[in-house]
Amino acid sequence: GAGVSQSPRYKVAKRGQDVALRCDPISGHVSLFWYQQALGQGPEFLTYFQNEAQLDKSGLPSDRFFAERPEGSVSTLKIQRTQQEDSAVYLCASSPRGQGAYEQYFGPGTRLTVT
Amino acid sequence: AQSVSQHNHHVILSEAASLELGCNYSYGGTVNLFWYVQYPGQHLQLLLKYFSGDPLVKGIKGFEAEFIKSKFSFNLRKPSVQWSDTAEYFCAVLSSNTGKLIFGQGTTLQVKP
Repeated sequence: GAGVSQSPRYKVAKRGQDVALRCDPISGHVSLFWYQQALGQGPEFLTYFQNEAQLDKSGLPSDRFFAERPEGSVSTLKIQRTQQEDSAVYLCASSPRGQGAYEQYFGPGTRLTVT
Repeated sequence: AQSVSQHNHHVILSEAASLELGCNYSYGGTVNLFWYVQYPGQHLQLLLKYFSGDPLVKGIKGFEAEFIKSKFSFNLRKPSVQWSDTAEYFCAVLSSNTGKLIFGQGTTLQVKP
């Protein structure tokens, strides 16, 4: 079946531009996570949705980062006024249930380069 | 604070050699542990997971890991690696409060044919 998809796969932005990254989770998955992976590092948590509710946004690095999942399926991560330190791979993951010991299924990521 | 530490950042092995990648975690609650793998050009995939029960868990492609509670460790092993195992390996612990994964910084495994 279809896995988690993300678009675009690659994005180059000039410093100061706004970007929007899209995630399509596996159909029916309740939980959706965003992670940021800097070069040579493991993924770091950004934010978590259970259906349309954003239950945890403690990992968002600044108020320039905003995420939404208005209908409980597709999610968008928006970064305003991009900075060079925002360059990273942004990973989306979904899980079939709410909070609990469940596997997370990852998408291919969006590689953002800010010039 | 919860954290995961992977001691080996870059490992180079010849085919048929045995593999052990170290992972230690710092977490006081119920522990759920994972190993994920990222092959070149591909997305993160689950290798294996530990939720409860038998501390020796077996995953895909001949990998296994042992949860040793007294050592706060969850090391990944494979008795005989293949060239196709060349990839980046990530250990992670699940935060039961929020369901988020806390990852180690990863180990790059290079297997020489």
